[in-house]
Amino acid sequence: AQSVTQPDIHITVSEGASLELRCNYSYGATPYLFWYVQSPGQGLQLLLKYFSGDTLVQGIKGFEAEFKRSQSSFNLRKPSVHWSDAAEYFCAVGAGGTGNQFYFGTGTSLTVIP
Amino acid sequence: GAVVSQHPSWVICKSGTSVKIECRSLDFQATTMFWYRQFPKQSLMLMATSNEGSKATYEQGVEKDKFLINHASLTLSTLTVTSAHPEDSSFYICSASSLVEPEGTQYFGPGTRLLVL
Repeated sequence: AQSVTQPDIHITVSEGASLELRCNYSYGATPYLFWYVQSPGQGLQLLLKYFSGDTLVQGIKGFEAEFKRSQSSFNLRKPSVHWSDAAEYFCAVGAGGTGNQFYFGTGTSLTVIP
Repeated sequence: GAVVSQHPSWVICKSGTSVKIECRSLDFQATTMFWYRQFPKQSLMLMATSNEGSKATYEQGVEKDKFLINHASLTLSTLTVTSAHPEDSSFYICSASSLVEPEGTQYFGPGTRLLVL
């Protein structure tokens, strides 16, 4: 069965510190992987995606993620967190193709302290 | 690019009335649109998938007669909550994907918060 696990429900980091948000997936086919960010009361904004090629992908706002097939992981990283990065982060996996649904993780809430 | 809008952003209605939420892709043609429901501090729950010109496919447990979805054009899908009740109060989010991105990237609208009194 397809599933996405985000082990950390909530993470607190200091501004300027590095960040890593974990995502593990269980998927029977080649996964198409996505990270989204959601600010309070807002929709989801795409940060980055992976479906082929270089396993280290760069996204917007200075985020990057690395696909590790052997570990079934797609962890999100940022070298230096800004206060504006405080939000909810969702990892998603899909089968590719426009009609196929996503499977979302439960999300990780990020708090940034000054 | 890839902007999705939703209207209204907020709606308050009386129990028993119907509410229509619009989802529009502003700068691309959305072959498929998805409707989600999100409860506070929870992940997204897929309600239905709609393809332009076809009937929507509803997820198990979602009442199709209560949540009417129409995807009449490549840029517009609507969700109508019929005979709304307080338990229908929630945050509804739509997303859209297109053939231009075959990996199936979904672009999300800003959401609509529904409060049924």
